[in-house]
Amino acid sequence: NAGVTQTPKFRVLKTGQSMTLLCAQDMNHEYMYWYRQDPGMGLRLIHYSVGEGTTAKGEVPDGYNVSRLKKQNFLLGLESAAPSQTSVYFCASSYYLGRSNYNEQFFGPGTRLTVL
Amino acid sequence: GIQVEQSPPDLILQEGANSTLRCNFSDSVNNLQWFHQNPWGQLINLFYIPSGTKQNGRLSATTVATERYSLLYISSSQTTDSGVYFCAVRNSGNTPLVFGKGTRLSVIA
Repeated sequence: NAGVTQTPKFRVLKTGQSMTLLCAQDMNHEYMYWYRQDPGMGLRLIHYSVGEGTTAKGEVPDGYNVSRLKKQNFLLGLESAAPSQTSVYFCASSYYLGRSNYNEQFFGPGTRLTVL
Repeated sequence: GIQVEQSPPDLILQEGANSTLRCNFSDSVNNLQWFHQNPWGQLINLFYIPSGTKQNGRLSATTVATERYSLLYISSSQTTDSGVYFCAVRNSGNTPLVFGKGTRLSVIA
């Protein structure tokens, strides 16, 4: 199993440009998440999804949109990138607690995004 | 929402020394995980430990859910243990993991 994968690994954008980050998981997890990590800080939740076709806002959702058209994929979009969105973005996935008592969360390798 | 506090924020060890990292949380949890973020930025799952004690080689962890804390023990530290250690918790239900700010560990030879 590949686990959680993220595309791309690195990206540089100019202010105002748009892009989409792709997350894929092959563990049949119901839940998927997008976090961002800034220097010296822990991870902060941007958006998450509890299943195909559903999304919810996290702690820092402004400036981002997400879509979950397929169970195994979770997309994070930046419509008009700003320098404040320079960060490392992590995707994660886990089982739904009601299905199993086991809900360990697994992370992808991260995407380093710089907005100039 | 639930609050997660980790201590100490920074720790410098001589190779071979032992250490204890602490994670306090403010509410009941159904998931607690410890992660190691290595110098390349990867998040490595160390323990899934909502309660009880687990050991994996030189690392072990204990969570006392009733007293709302967890401890991560690192014995005979090695330079490869350097990085940031994060504690993350999930509140009751299916809410996402909430992270502490981490403990930055530097092990020097």
